[in-house]
Amino acid sequence: AAGVIQSPRHLIKEKRETATLKCYPIPRHDTVYWYQQGPGQDPQFLISFYEKMQSDKGSIPDRFSAQQFSDYHSELNMSSLELGDSALYFCASSIMTGGGSPLHFGNGTRLTVT
Amino acid sequence: DQQVKQNSPSLSVQEGRISILNCDYTNSMFDYFLWYKKYPAEGPTFLISISSIKDKNEDGRFTVFLNKSAKHLSLHIVPSQPGDSAVYFCAASGGSGGSNYKLTFGKGTLLTVNP
Repeated sequence: AAGVIQSPRHLIKEKRETATLKCYPIPRHDTVYWYQQGPGQDPQFLISFYEKMQSDKGSIPDRFSAQQFSDYHSELNMSSLELGDSALYFCASSIMTGGGSPLHFGNGTRLTVT
Repeated sequence: DQQVKQNSPSLSVQEGRISILNCDYTNSMFDYFLWYKKYPAEGPTFLISISSIKDKNEDGRFTVFLNKSAKHLSLHIVPSQPGDSAVYFCAASGGSGGSNYKLTFGKGTLLTVNP
């Protein structure tokens, strides 16, 4: 079965550079979520989109922005990178139906800021 | 403030025995609970979930129990297999301030099943 695809898998950037992470949700999923997981930490919710509109916002820095495109893929743009941005970034997708909807996660993008 | 707590960072059990992973939550608005399994270098994989209107959900070797009054849930794996060795995250959704579907995670429990 098709899963959530994230690219790139690994990314190395220097301080103050910019980075773009991409996420391709499972076909027919209409909601995308972005999570950040620091070393030894639980995944922290950053932002979500439903039908190309931002649906919720978590602990996302102002230096980060994201959007969901007409084909439902999403991009997380990160500017003025800091050492503390080094983390694993997960994208997840789901169908926004009534009741609980399990999120399906991609394998993540490991960002290293040097 | 950690709204979903997994107080055991690690758990080790023998193959064939029961594994019990525990999770506590503080936000009474949570109404849906999930368990995810995560292997190194992979994303979390959905395992099993339970709605707050139930107190038990079973799927093969995996059973989740929910005690709403205690704000506690647990995942039972019987019998445990070496391939179950992974980090298990408890997650909850619902609550105020936005989408009912964003998840709040615990810090995870590393389960090791010894052959």
